[in-house]
Amino acid sequence: AQTVTQSQPEMSVQEAETVTLSCTYDTSESDYYLFWYKQPPSRQMILVIRQEAYKQQNATENRFSVNFQKAAKSFSLKISDSQLGDAAMYFCAYILNAGNMLTFGGGTRLMVKP
Amino acid sequence: NAGVTQTPKFQVLKTGQSMTLQCAQDMNHNSMYWYRQDPGMGLRLIYYSASEGTTDKGEVPNGYNVSRLNKREFSLRLESAAPSQTSVYFCASSGLWGGGETQYFGPGTRLLVL
Repeated sequence: AQTVTQSQPEMSVQEAETVTLSCTYDTSESDYYLFWYKQPPSRQMILVIRQEAYKQQNATENRFSVNFQKAAKSFSLKISDSQLGDAAMYFCAYILNAGNMLTFGGGTRLMVKP
Repeated sequence: NAGVTQTPKFQVLKTGQSMTLQCAQDMNHNSMYWYRQDPGMGLRLIYYSASEGTTDKGEVPNGYNVSRLNKREFSLRLESAAPSQTSVYFCASSGLWGGGETQYFGPGTRLLVL
């Protein structure tokens, strides 16, 4: 069974600073996709960034980037120039290429200090 | 373009009562999903519909039924609610089945079973 682990229940960052959220996953498959979702207090699940496992290049979306280490099964999210609006729960998730189920980690609560 | 919509936003049930959670998407997506999120946890898949006319069980299907009414709508039914079903329920949709298609989520339905 696939599992996703986020080892940091809570993180804190100063506004305008950079923070990295960790995620590791366990799978025997080679063809899969990884996601980071943001869940603000409104509870809406918002896609932050997506990575294809077959791509060596790390995905970036504006201030958000990932460090994808396939051999280590690690998928961390870096948020640069943190803003107050970045405060939320962040979930790492995994899906097989031929699959149907997003498998989520337990989440990391990010607090941004002004 | 509203994306994925869910009704109701919040519901209180007594043990043994039944109810149906409604979900609709206007993105012409083929696949739809129902997840639940318990406090402090990531989402877990209850049921999914890979395409119109098909449904299948996810990770935690017990106590639930689903209906894919048409391409747009996918409902989740609790026949006899139990306190263990107190949770936040999310509907999601994706364009295609598999291939790491991004899933887009609705705003969630908060259900409290007394």
